[in-house]
Amino acid sequence: AQSVTQLDSQVPVFEEAPVELRCNYSSSVSVYLFWYVQYPNQGLQLLLKYLSGSTLVKGINGFEAEFNKSQTSFHLRKPSVHISDTAEYFCAPRGSYIPTFGRGTSLIVHP
Amino acid sequence: DTAVSQTPKYLVTQMGNDKSIKCEQNLGHDTMYWYKQDSKKFLKIMFSYNNKELIINETVPNRFSPKSPDKAHLNLHINSLELGDSAVYFCASSQGNRYNSPLHFGNGTRLTVT
Repeated sequence: AQSVTQLDSQVPVFEEAPVELRCNYSSSVSVYLFWYVQYPNQGLQLLLKYLSGSTLVKGINGFEAEFNKSQTSFHLRKPSVHISDTAEYFCAPRGSYIPTFGRGTSLIVHP
Repeated sequence: DTAVSQTPKYLVTQMGNDKSIKCEQNLGHDTMYWYKQDSKKFLKIMFSYNNKELIINETVPNRFSPKSPDKAHLNLHINSLELGDSAVYFCASSQGNRYNSPLHFGNGTRLTVT
C-alpha cells in the first residue's frame, strides 16, 4: 500500500508568479504518479502523469512535475500562473488496485 | 458528448429518504468507481466495479448499495439517508484496473440531506 502527503493545504500566489505544489509518497512497491486538477464545481481531470522514462513530465496548461525516486517526491510546478489556475490539485500515486488521492492543495491565484 | 455523466447534479432530500444517483460513461472503459468528497475536499473511494463485478468495497455503511447493470453504467442507491451523507459524490471510470490507467471523473452529484 502507499500513502501520500501533500505538504501544503493552501498556496496563495500572485498572478504571473511561479508556483510549486509539493507531494511526497511512501510505498513499498513501485508506483505510477498522477496529478489531477479540480476546478470549482467540477470533477477531477488529469493534469499529468509519470509512468516511466524521463523524470520530468509535462502536462496541460503549462504545468510540469518531476519524479524524484530517492526523495519519493513528485512536485508540481508552473513558471507563471494565471487567475484561471485557481483550483484544487490532487497528487495520486498508485501502486495498488485502490486508486487513492492526497488531501489536495488549494491554489489561490491573486491578481 | 460528455465522457462520464452523472445525474442528478444536485440532490436535496430529507433524512430517512431513499435516493439514487446514476452514472454512465461512453469511453468504452470496463472499470467504474464511486468516490465521496467531503467538505474539506478529501476523496474517499467507496466502490469499484470491473466488468460488472464488484472489486472494491471499502468500509461504507450497507445503506449504500452500488449496482452495475453493464460496463457503461454504475448506479448508487442510498437508503435511510442521514445528515452525514451530505457530500459530493463522484463517479469515475478507467480502462481496466491497471495501475497506470488514469481515472476519468464525472462532474459530481452534490447531495444535501436536511
